[in-house]
This record gives sequence, C-alpha cells and structure tokens, in this order.
Amino acid sequence: EPEVTQTPSHQVTQMGQEVILRCVPISNHLYFYWYRQILGQKVEFLVSFYNNEISEKSEIFDDQFSVERPDGSNFTLKIRSTKLEDSAMYFCASSDEYNSPLHFGNGTRLTVT
Amino acid sequence: GQQLNQSPQSMFIQEGEDVSMNCTSSSIFNTWLWYKQEPGEGPVLLIALYKAGELTSNGRLTAQFGITRKDSFLNISASIPSDVGIYFCAGVTNAGKSTFGDGTTLTVKP
Repeated sequence: EPEVTQTPSHQVTQMGQEVILRCVPISNHLYFYWYRQILGQKVEFLVSFYNNEISEKSEIFDDQFSVERPDGSNFTLKIRSTKLEDSAMYFCASSDEYNSPLHFGNGTRLTVT
Repeated sequence: GQQLNQSPQSMFIQEGEDVSMNCTSSSIFNTWLWYKQEPGEGPVLLIALYKAGELTSNGRLTAQFGITRKDSFLNISASIPSDVGIYFCAGVTNAGKSTFGDGTTLTVKP
C-alpha cells in the first residue's frame, strides 16, 4: 500500500538554526498537510497546501514557518529560526480529495537544544 | 476554532473486555475519523464515517457518526494486547480541515 514517507526520522538542532523537514506524499494525492504533536499531547494542525499554495494555516504557523513543494514529489516544512518550544513530532499527511481521510507519515522528531 | 472533547483520557482494561470511547463537539463535521497511534509512529486510520447516523465496522472495531453530526463513538470488542495505543478522533469540516481530539490512551492487561 502506498505510504507517506518522511525524512529524517529524528533531527537535533540548536536554537536559532534553520531546519527543513522533508516529506514525500502518496503520489496521486493532491492535498498536503503538516501537523505537530508535542510529546504526550494531541495532534495539532499547522498548515494545508493545495495547488502550490497554502489553503489554510493555524496560529502556530507563524512567520518562522514556511512550506514548499519544490518538485513533483517532495513537500517540505522549513522552520527558519528554531525555538526550544518547536521541539515536537512533525507529521506530514496527504489526501486525494479535500475531505478524504488523511494518510500520515511516521513523523520527524525534532529536538531543539 | 473547532474543539473536540474526547473521553475517556485513558483506560486500563483486562484482555477480552470491550472498550468504548467517544468524541463530542459544539461544531458540526462532515466526516468523522478514528485513528490509532503507536509509539514512534504516525496516526493510522482505523475507520472513516461520512454520513450522519452511519455505523461502520472494521473487524472488532465499530464506530458511529452521531445524528447531530457533532459526535462519534468508537467501540473495540474483545480487546487484545496489541490494541494498546492512543486512539484519536478527528472531525473534518466541509472545508477539509481535520481537528483532532486529545486522544484516549488504551492499556490492555493480559
């Protein structure tokens, strides 16, 4: 079964550094998402992306965050200047229709020191 | 924004027992989803519900989309140790945005 793949599985970075989290959504999917899960807490919506632009973003997704689909297969989340509170699991998800269930990757654990 | 109230927060049960958890909201959703998350992995879809009143089964799992479109429940029958994990409900609006509940942590004692 097709799956969403995310790299790296774990990223450690120093506060203030830039990180790029990478995702390869399922190939025929058109809608892409980033979610965040702080340890022990619920999954929180960050941003949705369709037709090469952001369709919706949450309050968490401030100016430090950006997303890009640089080619036909990758979908990236960039955090420009990481803060300690950015430490979390970041999940990429994709779907084939706007209201179809999301298929999640296994996440990238980001640790900011 | 939308908020989902998921309960219970955690459950400790004996193998073989049935489990029930639910989600409620003050908002209406077009779709209700139930996911399971195991340590170190992303949420995995268990059941998707698309119509008010819909009752859907997936093996030992049964979920229902509430008539008011503001709630859903998930039942697991005859629990087994591999049912352990965190179960999340998610409501999807007509704009396609998914909002997750806080999760129910299930522990099954052999």
